[in-house]
Amino acid sequence: EPEVTQTPSHQVTQMGQEVILRCVPISNHLYFYWYRQILGQKVEFLVSFYNNEISEKSEIFDDQFSVERPDGSNFTLKIRSTKLEDSAMYFCASIFRGKNTEAFFGQGTRLTVV
Amino acid sequence: GQQVMQIPQYQHVQEGEDFTTYCNSSTTLSNIQWYKQRPGGHPVFLIQLVKSGEVKKQKRLTFQFGEAKKNSSLHITATQTTDVGTYFCAGGREDYKLSFGAGTTVTVRA
Repeated sequence: EPEVTQTPSHQVTQMGQEVILRCVPISNHLYFYWYRQILGQKVEFLVSFYNNEISEKSEIFDDQFSVERPDGSNFTLKIRSTKLEDSAMYFCASIFRGKNTEAFFGQGTRLTVV
Repeated sequence: GQQVMQIPQYQHVQEGEDFTTYCNSSTTLSNIQWYKQRPGGHPVFLIQLVKSGEVKKQKRLTFQFGEAKKNSSLHITATQTTDVGTYFCAGGREDYKLSFGAGTTVTVRA
């Protein structure tokens, strides 16, 4: 069964460092998302991406965040200067399009900023 | 912007009992989706409801979508230990954005 894959599964970084979280969405999907989940809390929308551009972003997605789909398969989330409060689980998700808009989630990357 | 509220936040259930979690959106939805997240896992799609007043069943799980397409509920009968996890509703828009509720975390007493 096709799945969304995310790497790395766990990333530890020093405050102020840049991190890149990587995702490979399901190949025929058209809509891509990043969500964040702070431990024990709700799943928060960060950004949606369609047709090679951001279609919507949340208030959380400020200037330190960026997304790219550099080669047609990978979908990356970059955090330029990490803060302690960026520590969370980051989920990538993709949607095919059409009648059934089920989101397929990756296993997540646990980011720990120290 | 669109907000999706979900209650209760926690549900402690005796094995064999029933419970319901409720979801309310501040705006009319295109669809409502439900996801389950096991401890340490990622959200996994359970079901999507699209039509006003729609009811769908999956074994012991019954999902409803309100007539106004602004609220939904998930009812689980005869809770089992395998039901442990967090259940999220997600309001879907026509542009494919999903707004998640805060989730209901279910624990089961054997």
